Amino acid sequence: NAGVMQNPRHLVRRRGQEARLRCSPMKGHSHVYWYRQLPEEGLKFMVYLQKENIIDESGMPKERFSAEFPKEGPSILRIQQVVRGDSAAYFCASSPGPGWENIQYFGAGTRLSVL
Amino acid sequence: AQTVTQSQPEMSVQEAETVTLSCTYDTSESDYYLFWYKQPPSRQMILVIRQEAYKQQNATENRFSVNFQKAAKSFSLKISDSQLGDAAMYFCAFHTGTASKLTFGTGTRLQVTL
Repeated sequence: NAGVMQNPRHLVRRRGQEARLRCSPMKGHSHVYWYRQLPEEGLKFMVYLQKENIIDESGMPKERFSAEFPKEGPSILRIQQVVRGDSAAYFCASSPGPGWENIQYFGAGTRLSVL
Repeated sequence: AQTVTQSQPEMSVQEAETVTLSCTYDTSESDYYLFWYKQPPSRQMILVIRQEAYKQQNATENRFSVNFQKAAKSFSLKISDSQLGDAAMYFCAFHTGTASKLTFGTGTRLQVTL
């Protein structure tokens, strides 16, 4: 049973380019969470999605960031017009159901470097 | 606001010894789950142990156990018989029944020496 798969593991972009990060949840999981980890910091929640729905995006920056989890295919975190401050590790987690009784399982993350 | 505080940026333990990592949190909720995650150099976040706030009994997973003090809002992790493979960043986290998002502390880097 494959775990949460994120790709790419490393992504290099120049300022102004777009970054697309992909996350395939564990089999049977329909809930996806995205977190960002800046250097030497803990993970910070960004967005929580269920298939085709954004449930909670309270941690998403208001501009340039968007997320989707289509009916078919992986969840995508999209960052438009990247800036150096976007350099971070982005983690995806999935769970089989909503709420607090379900454990979130994490992928290995995508490290985004903006030149 | 919900916060998690890990006051020990770095800890060191000798192989086979015991170490305790501290964590305090703040929430006005009465129902919540607490977690310890391990992040080795590979960056993979690995769940170490989970505690339900409504359970008085402390959770245990092999060499890992917690000391959960609900009134003090304290949730420390004890690692017994430390092994070289335990070297990693350890993050304390929790989420409440009203929100699915995990709130993380800033982490404790654990070194294991021979």
